[in-house]
Amino acid sequence: NAGVTQTPKFQVLKTGQSMTLQCAQDMNHNSMYWYRQDPGMGLRLIYYSASEGTTDKGEVPNGYNVSRLNKREFSLRLESAAPSQTSVYFCASSEEETYEQYFGPGTRLTVT
Amino acid sequence: TQLLEQSPQFLSIQEGENLTVYCNSSSVFSSLQWYRQEPGEGPVLLVTVVTGGEVKKLKRLTFQFGDARKDSSLHITAAQPGDTGLYLCAGGNNQGGKLIFGQGTELSVKP
Repeated sequence: NAGVTQTPKFQVLKTGQSMTLQCAQDMNHNSMYWYRQDPGMGLRLIYYSASEGTTDKGEVPNGYNVSRLNKREFSLRLESAAPSQTSVYFCASSEEETYEQYFGPGTRLTVT
Repeated sequence: TQLLEQSPQFLSIQEGENLTVYCNSSSVFSSLQWYRQEPGEGPVLLVTVVTGGEVKKLKRLTFQFGDARKDSSLHITAAQPGDTGLYLCAGGNNQGGKLIFGQGTELSVKP
């Protein structure tokens, strides 16, 4: 099992450009999450999906959109990137009973 | 808004020393998880505690959930350089699996 995979691993964008971060899990989990991690701020939830076909906003959703394409895949889109979105982005999925989360390796995004 | 405060934020110690990391909140959580993150990688789950007063041990790491389920601690005995990393606590309330993360404790263990 690959667990949670994310692409790309690194990305540099110019202000105003758009891009989609991809995430897939092979653990048959219902719930999936997108976080951003900034120095000294832990992990902050952007969006989450409790099941296929549903998505909800987290703590910091502004400037992002998500798609739960199917049970395996959950993508995060930046429509018009801003320097404030420079961060490391993590995707995670969780088991339904314990809510223990399994994380991907992250995408390091720089917006200039 | 539920918050989790971790202390200390940074900790630099010598190999063989003991240390404790604290995770505190004014809110009650149904479960508390601890993760460890190495540079360039995603967090990896260490343990989940769900009962007030619960103590779990993982080799040299001891995790405790407060009696009132508002706080937790991680104690490392005889720290080793391999323990170096970012330690994150996270509280859950069975709300669709959402977790509230603390800001993390950056641990450096020097040989």
